[in-house]
Amino acid sequence: KQEVTQIPAALSVPEGENLVLNCSFTDSAIYNLQWFRQDPGKGLTSLLLIQSSQREQTSGRLNASLDKSSGRSTLYIAASQPGDSATYLCAVRVISSGSARQLTFGSGTQLTVLP
Amino acid sequence: DTGVSQNPRHKITKRGQNVTFRCDPISEHNRLYWYRQTLGQGPEFLTYFQNEAQLEKSRLLSDRFSAERPKGSFSTLEIQRTEQGDSAMYLCASSLGGGSQIYEQYFGPGTRLTVT
Repeated sequence: KQEVTQIPAALSVPEGENLVLNCSFTDSAIYNLQWFRQDPGKGLTSLLLIQSSQREQTSGRLNASLDKSSGRSTLYIAASQPGDSATYLCAVRVISSGSARQLTFGSGTQLTVLP
Repeated sequence: DTGVSQNPRHKITKRGQNVTFRCDPISEHNRLYWYRQTLGQGPEFLTYFQNEAQLEKSRLLSDRFSAERPKGSFSTLEIQRTEQGDSAMYLCASSLGGGSQIYEQYFGPGTRLTVT
């Protein structure tokens, strides 16, 4: 069974700092990995999706990397801003019969960027 | 706005009551998913539809839960005889689909259920 772990569970940084969020998964047979943002009491906003054949994806100040063989992904946020404060969730879609279409999520990293 | 919509956004109910939630997917999406998220955890998969067919159900979906997608468009999730442990955010997502292709899922804002 696929398990997804995110470290740290919470992170507080001063504005302007660059930071890295970590995600690890136990089954390397994945279709893709996706990073989401979730504001308190809200739904999920997709940030970046990395296909299994890709090594990284970039969008603005965000860069996500994928090392499938080691079961790891990182989300790099450059020049953090208070508006980046949210919970960041990592999710993978596993290649296995019967479960190919669902996402398996980590518990998230709660990020606070202090002004 | 043509994104995924969910209603109601919040529901407070007493233990033992039945509740029903609705999800309207993006119009051209034929796949629809339900997830449940408890406080401090990531979402967990409940069930998945392709058109009107319910193709996959998680073990989390006890017999008190039932989901339908009668015309392959909107979906409803009903919880019978609610328990306090059912308190959670219920998220709906939709995607394109066809054969073995994997498409990105788009999430709605969720329905927050509180069982008192």
